[in-house]
Amino acid sequence: QTVVTQEPSFSVSPGGTVTLTCGLSSGSVSITYYPSWYRQTPGQAPRTLIYNTTTRSSGVPDRFSGSILGNKAALTITGAQADDESKYYCVFYMGSGNWVFGGGTKLTVL
Amino acid sequence: EVHLVESGGGLIKPGGSLRLSCSASGFSLTNVWMSWVRQAPGKGLESFGLIKSKFAGGTTQYAAFVKGRFTISRDDSKNTLYLQMDSLETEDSGVYYCSILGNPGYFDSWGQGTLVTVSS
Repeated sequence: QTVVTQEPSFSVSPGGTVTLTCGLSSGSVSITYYPSWYRQTPGQAPRTLIYNTTTRSSGVPDRFSGSILGNKAALTITGAQADDESKYYCVFYMGSGNWVFGGGTKLTVL
Repeated sequence: EVHLVESGGGLIKPGGSLRLSCSASGFSLTNVWMSWVRQAPGKGLESFGLIKSKFAGGTTQYAAFVKGRFTISRDDSKNTLYLQMDSLETEDSGVYYCSILGNPGYFDSWGQGTLVTVSS
């Protein structure tokens, strides 16, 4: 079974830059897994941030960017703001209607 | 504007059935692929089923852990997606979200979710 690995938690200072990563137990991540990123605050629905590795979803500010870094998918947030405190999930599309989800990274801005 | 509203959640005993609805506005469900994603209390997100657009055949796919118990359907006249859940287990408890599936392979717009609690 494929496992997605994300940092359980991360902290960033206001105005700072943070890069969250997302790996696959089966090996290197590539764009063919179409990595996507979502964020969720407690009690709220997820919000789509990035899809197809680098494409920002409608309305997502350009402070958020997606990439492949080494053998992992990455989400970089620049100019971190207090309301960026959320849980961030990455997802890989494995094809044939199958997805694998990471357990999420809890980002603290302090 | 695309809008999804789930409803139908509640408290149900193990072995019971429940039907969730996902009412769509701002677009036609017929033309998109839709999925259901759930989140157990305090846990992460988990997708378990999808229905293809009418153009793609309107067929459904399910994860192994719900196959045979859950059924996704669509009423085009009401622009509403359904999730029929039978033989519910305590592990099925959580918030259930419907989502538009974007191409390639991502979850686009999300509803606000509806809470299902399976408990005796």
